[in-house]
Amino acid sequence: EPEVTQTPSHQVTQMGQEVILRCVPISNHLYFYWYRQILGQKVEFLVSFYNNEISEKSEIFDDQFSVERPDGSNFTLKIRSTKLEDSAMYFCASSMGLVSYDEQFFGPGTRLTVL
Amino acid sequence: LAKTTQPISMDSYEGQEVNITCSHNNIATNDYITWYQQFPSQGPRFIIQGYKTKVTNEVASLFIPADRKSSTLSLPRVSLSDTAVYYCLVGPKAAGNKLTFGGGTRVLVKP
Repeated sequence: EPEVTQTPSHQVTQMGQEVILRCVPISNHLYFYWYRQILGQKVEFLVSFYNNEISEKSEIFDDQFSVERPDGSNFTLKIRSTKLEDSAMYFCASSMGLVSYDEQFFGPGTRLTVL
Repeated sequence: LAKTTQPISMDSYEGQEVNITCSHNNIATNDYITWYQQFPSQGPRFIIQGYKTKVTNEVASLFIPADRKSSTLSLPRVSLSDTAVYYCLVGPKAAGNKLTFGGGTRVLVKP
């Protein structure tokens, strides 16, 4: 069964450093998403991406965040200058773009720890 | 966006039926009710979706009364592996829509 994959599974970085989180969405999917979940809190939407551009973003997704689909398979989230409060689990998801119901398939997540 | 309210946690035992009720008093006419499941250290996973009455699949049943102001997810004969957080989401069907998660219900299945 096709699945969303994410690398790395755990990333530790120093405050102020740049990190890139990588995702490989399901191959025939058209919409891509990033969500995050701070430990013990709810899953929060960050951004959605369609047709090579951002279709929606939340207030969390400020100028320090960016997304890119550098080739036909990868989808990345870059955090330019990490802060302590960026420590969280980051989930990538993808969906086919169906009008009937656009089920989102989530990856296993990347745990980001900012020291 | 319709706000949802669900219990913070529920305990159950293996083999029992678990029913989780979600309140969504201000649900809109074009909103659907969707449930996701999240195991520890994993991403959420779609379980079931419905608009009204009853929907059943191989995993769960979803009961929605006529006024649609609440819904109940029913998990038949739970096992230890059903221990997870269950989220009720309300929103329109549309391609590419963001998912807005609440706090969810933490279900603990005991032996």
